[in-house]
Amino acid sequence: QKEVEQNSGPLSVPEGAIASLNCTYSDRVSQSFFWYRQYSGKSPELIMSIYSNGDKEDGRFTAQLNKASQYVSLLIRDSQPSDSATYLCAVNRGSNFGNEKLTFGTGTRLTIIP
Amino acid sequence: DTAVSQTPKYLVTQMGNDKSIKCEQNLGHDTMYWYKQDSKKFLKIMFSYNNKELIINETVPNRFSPKSPDKAHLNLHINSLELGDSAVYFCASSPFRDYRTDTQYFGPGTRLTVL
Repeated sequence: QKEVEQNSGPLSVPEGAIASLNCTYSDRVSQSFFWYRQYSGKSPELIMSIYSNGDKEDGRFTAQLNKASQYVSLLIRDSQPSDSATYLCAVNRGSNFGNEKLTFGTGTRLTIIP
Repeated sequence: DTAVSQTPKYLVTQMGNDKSIKCEQNLGHDTMYWYKQDSKKFLKIMFSYNNKELIINETVPNRFSPKSPDKAHLNLHINSLELGDSAVYFCASSPFRDYRTDTQYFGPGTRLTVL
């Protein structure tokens, strides 16, 4: 079983609709979770982080975490063509230190159809 | 103004050669990383340094040797390059304050092609 699993996609969503990206993780001690966006040929950039169960909203983005189900998701409302990218889920087991070891999923490729 | 920079951006070389990639960050972060992203876009941690000290070495072949002369720089030297080393290598940095929220900032990547 992979440590962090995502559907590779591609996921196609009409412009203006809600895009829903999902991620499951295997290590129950994982404590913090991150969504990165990567445009083709570019480097990953952080969209959101979450570490408490429930929802966290930032503009058009909402991250949802359910530690009991070992599941984290990212919702993108009012999807725009500029949201077309690969979305990487990353999990940190946590430590007494920093974020020194993130484990990434293989990413979901999202395409917003105008 | 570039936060995390890497050189070179592209590297094409023959099998068996030795090459280096350099990384610098001007964010004042304590921790720096090397990641490898393969052709299937899987991003995997290779090394992590905190204040010039190695804290993570993810079972990377010892042909790969990172060096951190100071906390703003982390270089990667690769000996005896193999075809399987072809990938995009990303450098990243983050503060060392709170694992729950520390953001990793990635450099632009170095695309290594081994012929």
